[in-house]
Amino acid sequence: NAGVTQTPKFQVLKTGQSMTLQCAQDMNHEYMSWYRQDPGMGLRLIHYSVGAGITDQGEVPNGYNVSRSTTEDFPLRLLSAAPSQTSVYFCASTNERFGANVLTFGAGSRLTVL
Amino acid sequence: AQKITQTQPGMFVQEKEAVTLDCTYDTSDPSYGLFWYKQPSSGEMIFLIYQGSYDQQNATEGRYSLNFQKARKSANLVISASQLGDSAMYFCAMRGLNDYKLSFGAGTTVTVRA
Repeated sequence: NAGVTQTPKFQVLKTGQSMTLQCAQDMNHEYMSWYRQDPGMGLRLIHYSVGAGITDQGEVPNGYNVSRSTTEDFPLRLLSAAPSQTSVYFCASTNERFGANVLTFGAGSRLTVL
Repeated sequence: AQKITQTQPGMFVQEKEAVTLDCTYDTSDPSYGLFWYKQPSSGEMIFLIYQGSYDQQNATEGRYSLNFQKARKSANLVISASQLGDSAMYFCAMRGLNDYKLSFGAGTTVTVRA
C-alpha cells in the first residue's frame, strides 16, 4: 500500500517561479487536503477537495491553486512563488466524514523560496 | 470556526514518568471530534488518539489517554511511562462532526530525558 505519495520531497525555487507539488493516493479516498506547516503555527489548511471536480479554500489559500480531475490526484500549484511560501507542505486524505475520520498524511514536501 | 490552543511550546520529561500536554479549544459546533497527532523528527504525522464530543468515557490507546473535560473545553493528552521514542512534536486537532476539515494547534515539543 503506497498510501499518500507526495513529490518532490525537497524543492528550492526563486521568487516568481512556478511549480506544482504532486499528491496521489491509492486508497480511493473521497477527501483530500493540503496543509502547510510553519514553526509555531501548527498545520494550516490551504485547500481541500471532497471529490473529483470539487475544491474549496481553507484557511490560507492565497497564492495557491488546486484542481481535482481524478479521485487519486490533488496537485497544489504555486503560480508565482514568494519567500513567504517557504514551508513544509503536507497532503492528507480520508474516506470517513463521520466519527474518527483519521487523516492519512503524505511524508511532506519541504519548499524553500529564495 | 474552530480554534485550538496549545500553550506549552516545549516540555522536558524524565524517562518512565508521565507527561500531560495541554489543549484547549473553542468551537460553535454542537458535535465535534478531537485528535492528537505525533510528529517525530523524521517529519511524518502519526495519529495517536481520538475523542468524540459525545463519548461518555475518556479515550485511551495504550500509553496514551485523553483527559476530556467538555465544560472546560479541554482535551489534554497524557502519556504514561514516557520512552525516549516519545520525543517528538505533538499536535492537538479538532473538526466538526459533520466536517472533513481538521484544524490544528501550534504543537508542543516533548523531549524525553534518559
